Amino acid sequence: EVQLVESGGGLVQPGGSVRVSCVDSGFTFSNNYMSWVRQAPGKGLEWLSLIYTGGTTYYADSVKGRFTISRDNSKNTVYLEMNSVRAEDTAVYYCAGGVSRHYFDYWGQGTLVTVSS
Amino acid sequence: EIVLTQSPGTLSLSPGERATLSCRASQSVSSSYLAWYQQKPGQVPRLLIYAASSRATGIPDRFSGSGSGTDFTLTISRLEPEDFAVYYCQQYSSSPRVLTFGGGTKVEIK
Repeated sequence: EVQLVESGGGLVQPGGSVRVSCVDSGFTFSNNYMSWVRQAPGKGLEWLSLIYTGGTTYYADSVKGRFTISRDNSKNTVYLEMNSVRAEDTAVYYCAGGVSRHYFDYWGQGTLVTVSS
Repeated sequence: EIVLTQSPGTLSLSPGERATLSCRASQSVSSSYLAWYQQKPGQVPRLLIYAASSRATGIPDRFSGSGSGTDFTLTISRLEPEDFAVYYCQQYSSSPRVLTFGGGTKVEIK
């Protein structure tokens, strides 16, 4: 069974950088499409980025040029590098994925990133 | 970019009643690319429906999805106490290749 566990969140200063990670303890990570989705406090869900099994990447306009998604299939891990962060990037960051690029079968428990001075 | 508008924002119903949630897209969405999720307070979203009408593994048959083009519906035939939550629709588009969520509908106990 797939189990996604995020880490790397915390307090970050405006303009700073942070990398969040997500480890998949399942056995089929290399076959799964993976995304990052965030949820600001009290708000809805916002898709940020998608990475294909082979490494092709896509981004929402709101984070294009600032955030970078990557994956290491040998470590069953997907990453989100966040640069030039702003207060409005404060949110719980979920990794999500599955066998389809069209929707999300599996979700991690989320990691909170707070952007504040 | 396709915008998904969910209505109503809040639905107040009693257990045992039928819930009908709407998701309207600003442009036509392939039925294969429309999904619904449930999120309870303090919990992670859970996939309910994919490809507009296919139930995800373990989802009770009181949940059903329908629709095509720009209008999609999630129906909960008889609300159970555990169904009171926020529901999101989500679409995938191939050009540009992005995914978007609707703003959510909260189903609350009346």
